[in-house]
Amino acid sequence: AQSVTQLDSHVSVSEGTPVLLRCNYSSSYSPSLFWYVQHPNKGLQLLLKYTSAATLVKGINGFEAEFKKSETSFHLTKPSAHMSDAAEYFCVVSEAAGNKLTFGGGTRVLVKP
Amino acid sequence: DAGVIQSPRHEVTEMGQEVTLRCKPISGHNSLFWYRQTMMRGLELLIYFNNNVPIDDSGMPEDRFSAKMPNASFSTLKIQPSEPRDSAVYFCASRGLAGGSGELFFGEGSRLTVL
Repeated sequence: AQSVTQLDSHVSVSEGTPVLLRCNYSSSYSPSLFWYVQHPNKGLQLLLKYTSAATLVKGINGFEAEFKKSETSFHLTKPSAHMSDAAEYFCVVSEAAGNKLTFGGGTRVLVKP
Repeated sequence: DAGVIQSPRHEVTEMGQEVTLRCKPISGHNSLFWYRQTMMRGLELLIYFNNNVPIDDSGMPEDRFSAKMPNASFSTLKIQPSEPRDSAVYFCASRGLAGGSGELFFGEGSRLTVL
């Protein structure tokens, strides 16, 4: 069985400061991991994905995430938040075979001017 | 590519009416997913298809919900009869590579309000 825990339901940051969104997973196999972003009234958009290549993954809009197997974590970071980063973010784990994807509960990011 | 296309974007209906939501996946993708999103329950997987065949419908709430995929380029999610608690945003997503590294591509969603 696999599961995903996003440790913060809400994160508030000031514009220009770093953003850290935490994600822990459990999986019986070597997983693939994804981060998605959802802006208000929009669908989910892929930010980045880890698929057993480099452990530090760079995505769109300046986001990156590091896969740490020993900590079963896949935290998302951005060095400097922008107002347009205000959205909800989902961490997702995918099993090695088949179509079982498990979504975290989401983290809503508020960016203060 | 136009991406995953859903229609209608917004639907307001009265309790007891039939609702049909439509989805056109990305061409060449062989897996299609229907999700429901509410404030209370978050994002829930309702059903997914692989090569037009329903694989897992364990998330379908009850018999009022049904989904079909008659061909590789079209799927429908039907609610009959609709109830106020069905009010939600329904997302369709497609995936080109099953297992592991294939990401989901989401449509913009269909916002359903049942009065």
